[in-house]
Amino acid sequence: GQQLNQSPQSMFIQEGEDVSMNCTSSSIFNTWLWYKQDPGEGPVLLIALYKAGELTSNGRLTAQFGITRKDSFLNISASIPSDVGIYFCAGQPRNNAGNMLTFGGGTRLMVKP
Amino acid sequence: EADIYQTPRYLVIGTGKKITLECSQTMGHDKMYWYQQDPGMELHLIHYSYGVNSTEKGDLSSESTVSRIRTEHFPLTLESARPSHTSQYLCASSEFRTGTADTQYFGPGTRLTVL
Repeated sequence: GQQLNQSPQSMFIQEGEDVSMNCTSSSIFNTWLWYKQDPGEGPVLLIALYKAGELTSNGRLTAQFGITRKDSFLNISASIPSDVGIYFCAGQPRNNAGNMLTFGGGTRLMVKP
Repeated sequence: EADIYQTPRYLVIGTGKKITLECSQTMGHDKMYWYQQDPGMELHLIHYSYGVNSTEKGDLSSESTVSRIRTEHFPLTLESARPSHTSQYLCASSEFRTGTADTQYFGPGTRLTVL
């Protein structure tokens, strides 16, 4: 199946720092989604992107749908301790009749107060 | 905010027992999914459904079975639980329209431990 490469796998940063993570694929995607998962909970949708080049913000979070349609980026500004968790990207490949999502392996974010 | 519920949230059970994990959503979504996830690891799709009376197997082979008799309900059953089934099980749903994105909303998960 389709593969999404998500990086970095983990980040350990100081509170207040900005965070950047990305997802890349060799295939073209129609949709990019970013989720956050807290320990012991289900993933929560943060941002959904539907058009190439689209830049969308949700509070301190900003995500972009890459122009090539093969990548997406998530930035978190001025990180706080509650940003800790695992961030997953997910994409819907262009040639996917069933509209199924492909998930990245996740970026584990740790924030030092 | 997603209205998708899973019960129980935690289950510890002995080997050989039959278990059913419940998942319900009140959004009227056609598509529903079950994922298996080990702690901190990636999600693996094990079952999905396009609607009532539709069930399909996902990318990861699973000994579990599912049913979809009502739109809002998508239970997962293990006939004989084994320690290898220990994992977190996540249910999700999405609105299915041809040609549109598959934005999935997740439940809180069931953490299953088989002794």
